[in-house]
Formats: sequence, C-alpha cells, structure tokens
Amino acid sequence: SQQGEEDPQALSIQEGENATMNCSYKTSINNLQWYRQNSGRGLVHLILIRSNEREKHSGRLRVTLDTSKKSSSLLITASRAADTASYFCATDNSGYSTLTFGKGTMLLVSP
Amino acid sequence: EPEVTQTPSHQVTQMGQEVILRCVPISNHLYFYWYRQILGQKVEFLVSFYNNEISEKSEIFDDQFSVERPDGSNFTLKIRSTKLEDSAMYFCASSEGALSTEQYFGPGTRLTVT
Repeated sequence: SQQGEEDPQALSIQEGENATMNCSYKTSINNLQWYRQNSGRGLVHLILIRSNEREKHSGRLRVTLDTSKKSSSLLITASRAADTASYFCATDNSGYSTLTFGKGTMLLVSP
Repeated sequence: EPEVTQTPSHQVTQMGQEVILRCVPISNHLYFYWYRQILGQKVEFLVSFYNNEISEKSEIFDDQFSVERPDGSNFTLKIRSTKLEDSAMYFCASSEGALSTEQYFGPGTRLTVT
C-alpha cells in the first residue's frame, strides 16, 4: 500500500488564486511534513504538523490534518509565480523518524 | 540561517567504481539521514543514523552501502561498487531530535553511473 499520496498530480492556476493540495496516507503517523522542490533542486521544508494538531499556519501556507480520515491538505493563498514547484507530503510513522514521501503535486502558477 | 550542505553537487562515475557522497548536517542536529530520488520517482528513505550507529535502514540500503560520521561535522554515504540503477539524486537530511521534529534536507548530489 502507498503511504503519502498527493492529489492532484498536477495543478495549474493563475497568480493570486489559492492552491489546495491533498495528501492521504494509510497507517497512523507521528507527524506529517510538507516539502517543496523546484525542478531538479533540493527539498525545502515548509511545515510540520503533529498527529495531535489539526491546523497550522505559516505565512501564506495553511495545513490541516484529519487523522480520522488519514488526510492532510496544504493551502497556498494568493499564489505567486515563484510558488511554481512540486509539493510533497511526507509522513513519519516509524519509531525512528524516517519519512515516507508521496509522489507529489506539480503546481504551476502562471503570471 | 544554518543549512545542510552536500558535496559534490554532481558526480559521474563508471559502473563498479566506489563513490563517497559527503554531507555536513546542521551543527546542533543529532539525527542524520540519507534519501534518494530516482529521476521522476518518489523520494525514498535509505538510512538513519544517531549516536554513531545506524538506527534504521531500508531494503535499498544493502551491503553495497555504508555510512560514516568520520569527524564531528561530516556525514558520508559510500557506495562500494556502483550499478547503473544507483543513478539518482541523493539527499542528506538532519534533525535536532527524533520524533516530531523537522527534517532539513541538503541540496542533493546528482549521481550518474555510466
């Protein structure tokens, strides 16, 4: 079974619009982290949400976690062209903080 | 702001050769990790390291792989005899603590095995 599956696979929006990406997972987790990756580059940590938290904010980012549905969402408000990247959720469900990544959502923000 | 660094950014090697990928984790972090991403695929966990020992490793991390913290700052991944399928981007990460702490990733080393 797959852990950490994002949808949609690709999302194309205009600057100023909001972008919502979803992540589903199958086993219980300690925390869930969202990362951004620009093409061919490294992973930039965006936000961590713990299993006992339901919502977190960081700047234009809002993350929710619903452990009963085993799902999380990442909302980017007032998107900018610079937000164009792939976004991954990663779940920590081991005893050793190993992360299991999804396939990612490719976000394209057009000016 | 402290960051994880990795060298080299790109390594080209011939099949069967040994490679060492280097990482300098964030200085006050105690947990270190290696992940890899084959082109177009998911980021996959390889190994975690704490207190000079491997904490956990995946099925990918077979006898061809080893990790070492040779001094107080570097963390290395060695592949003894590279195969074509080892071509990937290799990411080092570190975290301050174990459970529920952020993992910060380096920029990656692109390994190309020819």
